[in-house]
Amino acid sequence: AQKITQTQPGMFVQEKEAVTLDCTYDTSDPSYGLFWYKQPSSGEMIFLIYQGSYDQQNATEGRYSLNFQKARKSANLVISASQLGDSAMYFCAMSDLVDNFNKFYFGSGTKLNVKP
Amino acid sequence: DAMVIQNPRYQVTQFGKPVTLSCSQTLNHNVMYWYQQKSSQAPKLLFHYYDKDFNNEADTPDNFQSRRPNTSFCFLDIRSPGLGDAAMYLCATSRVSKWGNIQYFGAGTRLSVL
Repeated sequence: AQKITQTQPGMFVQEKEAVTLDCTYDTSDPSYGLFWYKQPSSGEMIFLIYQGSYDQQNATEGRYSLNFQKARKSANLVISASQLGDSAMYFCAMSDLVDNFNKFYFGSGTKLNVKP
Repeated sequence: DAMVIQNPRYQVTQFGKPVTLSCSQTLNHNVMYWYQQKSSQAPKLLFHYYDKDFNNEADTPDNFQSRRPNTSFCFLDIRSPGLGDAAMYLCATSRVSKWGNIQYFGAGTRLSVL
């Protein structure tokens, strides 16, 4: 069964505007972690932000914030004040414990294009 | 400074000619992962090591093998590459945690098969 769903294959945003990338997840484990990664055309996966399932507050890292709605099982990424360098593929991921190791499940990704 | 280093960044091999990709880490993480990623798709887990314990995903072809001689190094061996094995190969590391620790990735090795 699909664990992570990203419904937006592609998004456009104007430079300096905010954008929200959607992510929903599915798990019955009460303990899990949620992550967002950025992958530019060079291919490297760059960690952006992390949210633990028991964290009460939404995670923030600079211009990135994670809108965590546990009851809806959603973990949307908000990028404020978009920059041209934000153009990349963005992956949402979830991690839970499987056989004593953290298995990571990735969504299909959202390609973000920032327009000047 | 790079914490997960993959070599080479680009690898070209011939159909059927064995190839080895390498990964090293300075983070002292106990888990190392190998992913295969094809164009515009999510990374696909091939296998992982938890310390010295090797764990294969059920759908990873036998053509793919891995070695972890010590905590810092991990290798991906493709015994007889086919055209379908052309992809980006990503190495990642993490610590084990109930809530999921950050997974750190290397820059990847882009494999071409001629």
